[in-house]
This record gives sequence, C-alpha cells and structure tokens, in this order.
Amino acid sequence: DSGVTQTPKHLITATGQRVTLRCSPRSGDLSVYWYQQSLDQGLQFLIQYYNGEERAKGNILERFSAQQFPDLHSELNLSSLELGDSALYFCASSWGDTQYFGPGTRLTVL
Amino acid sequence: AQSVTQPDIHITVSEGASLELRCNYSYGATPYLFWYVQSPGQGLQLLLKYFSGDTLVQGIKGFEAEFKRSQSSFNLRKPSVHWSDAAEYFCAVGSTNDYKLSFGAGTTVTVRA
Repeated sequence: DSGVTQTPKHLITATGQRVTLRCSPRSGDLSVYWYQQSLDQGLQFLIQYYNGEERAKGNILERFSAQQFPDLHSELNLSSLELGDSALYFCASSWGDTQYFGPGTRLTVL
Repeated sequence: AQSVTQPDIHITVSEGASLELRCNYSYGATPYLFWYVQSPGQGLQLLLKYFSGDTLVQGIKGFEAEFKRSQSSFNLRKPSVHWSDAAEYFCAVGSTNDYKLSFGAGTTVTVRA
C-alpha cells in the first residue's frame, strides 16, 4: 500500500458525459501527478500540482482539467468524454523526487 | 526531451532462472531513473531508483539495476525469479526540474514453472 488513495476504483459512463476522479496523496506529500495509461499510448504524464499550484503540464487534452485543494487532495475532471478516453488514470504523490502511485481509476466510456 | 525505450515487449523465463530487462533512456543531463512494477489489476510499485553515486542500485524483492552512462542504459536484473515476479515492468526517466516521469512501453514478464 503506497498511501495514495484514489476514488472511484471503476467508472463506467457514456460519451459526452463529465466525470471527476479524486486522489488523496500520502500524508505530507505536497506534489500530485496525474497519468493516463492506455493500450495505444502507454503511460503518459498529464499534469502536476505542487501545494495547490499547477507546476507542469504534459499531454493533457483541453477537455481535461485538474486542481489541488488546500487539504492537498486533487481532482481530475474529464468532460465531453469520448470512447478513446477509456483508460486507467493514476495519481501519484511525492515529497521530493520519488513518486508513489495510487491503485488507479479505471474509466470506461461506452 | 526525455524518453525511454524498453526493447523487449515480452519475456518468458523459467522459475529460478535469472532475469534481465533492458532499458535505454534519452535525457540531456544526469537523469533520475526508476523501475516500477505493475501486477495485474494493480497500481505501480517502485522497485528501485537511481539519482547519483553508486551505479549499481539495490531494490526491493531482490532486484538490482545498473546505470551505465556510456550506454544510456539502466537494466534491471534478478538472479533467481519467483512465480510472483510475473508482472509488467516499467522503466522511467524523471525530469530534474519538476520530476515528471516519462515511461517506457513496459516489458511483460511471464514465469513458467
């Protein structure tokens, strides 16, 4: 158990819908990262927050957004969902240079 | 830009045999390098990491990896594989600015009895 929690574990929704994925980092970790794992793209970095501020951005679509709250938990919002958004979404947290990953949220878009 | 190549998509090894997984990276400076393991239906677990110093690093579960700057490689090894080592293994390089990780495509390891 890494200490990073993600909810929900599974999410099934329809195209065009909007969903929110939640991540609680390890106690004391200020950084939160989001990654997407899909069969065709592999594991891709989406976005990083540090103590509430956006720190780095990767291959994140404009339909996706994220935020980190004062209690350091983070949410990833995915809107106007498409079939291709079906993937495993991981959150990771870190204090410094080593990231610890949560169990992931499996999103299925039908 | 940073990138990682894992040349082997799938490796099959007998239980008790040795295992070596290859990883080549591209990064402009001294990289942060990691190996993670993902068991079916699970998240990513950190096996080991290299930042600096001794180029042979020890990790959990009996794994080790060797950093070779001249070959831009960070290969993972285990002397004797157990059935529970069947999983997917990811090599990653981390940015020294913001620590974001770039992952290889992964190597799936199958262990046969």
